[in-house]
Amino acid sequence: DIQMTQSPSSLSASVGDRVTITCRASQSINRYLNWYQQRPGKAPKLLIYTTSSLQSGVPSRFSGSGSGTYFTLTITSLQPEDFATYYCQQTYTSPWTFGQGTKVEI
Amino acid sequence: EVQLVQSGAEVKKPGESLRISCEGSGYEFTHFWIGWVRQMPGKGLEWMGIIYPGDSDTRYSPSFQGQVTVSADKSIKTAYLQWNSLKASDTAMYYCVRQPGPRDGFDVWGQGTLVTVSS
Repeated sequence: DIQMTQSPSSLSASVGDRVTITCRASQSINRYLNWYQQRPGKAPKLLIYTTSSLQSGVPSRFSGSGSGTYFTLTITSLQPEDFATYYCQQTYTSPWTFGQGTKVEI
Repeated sequence: EVQLVQSGAEVKKPGESLRISCEGSGYEFTHFWIGWVRQMPGKGLEWMGIIYPGDSDTRYSPSFQGQVTVSADKSIKTAYLQWNSLKASDTAMYYCVRQPGPRDGFDVWGQGTLVTVSS
C-alpha cells in the first residue's frame, strides 16, 4: 500500500493567517492527490482533487500544489469555519489511502 | 440536489450480522462508483471498498477483503455494506461516498452511519 504522511499533525493558527499543510507519498502518485476537510461531527468534504483542481463551491482561499511524492494544501487568510481536520488521499493505486490528518486549531 | 442518504445508527452484539445502506439521488446512480469509508472513534479515514452499480464491478481494500461485502441494487439506487459476524473492533462511523471515476476524489459523502458493537 502507498503510505501517505501529513505534517504537521496539528497546528495552531489565528483568523487571517496563511496555513500550509504538507503531504508526502511513499512512492510517486503522479498528481492523483485529493484534499478533504472534516469539521467536528460532520462528514468529510472534498476540497481539492488531482492536486490543484478546486471542487465546485470551495472558496478560492484554498489551493493545492505538488507532484510525484510531495504535495501541499495552502489556506490563505484562515477563516473561523476553516478550523477543522484536513486529510490528503491518493487515488493513484488501489487501495486508496489517506494521510493521518492535520488538525487546524485556534 | 445530489446526495447520498445512509441508514440510521445501529447497536449490535458481537457475532451478529448487519447490513447498512446508502441511497443515491439527484444523479444517474449507475454512472458513478459508490464506496465505503471507515472512521474509528477519534481516528482517521480508511477506504474499504467500492462498487460500480452499472455492472456490479466490485473492488476491496486488502485490509477489508473477506471481512465485509459491498453490493448494490441499481433498481432502487441503493448501495450496501454488510457484515456476517460483527466484532467489537467494527465499532465505527461508516460513510458512503460517490466517486466519478477510479482515480477521482470522493465528491459526495453520505451523512454517516454509526455502528456500535458491544456485548
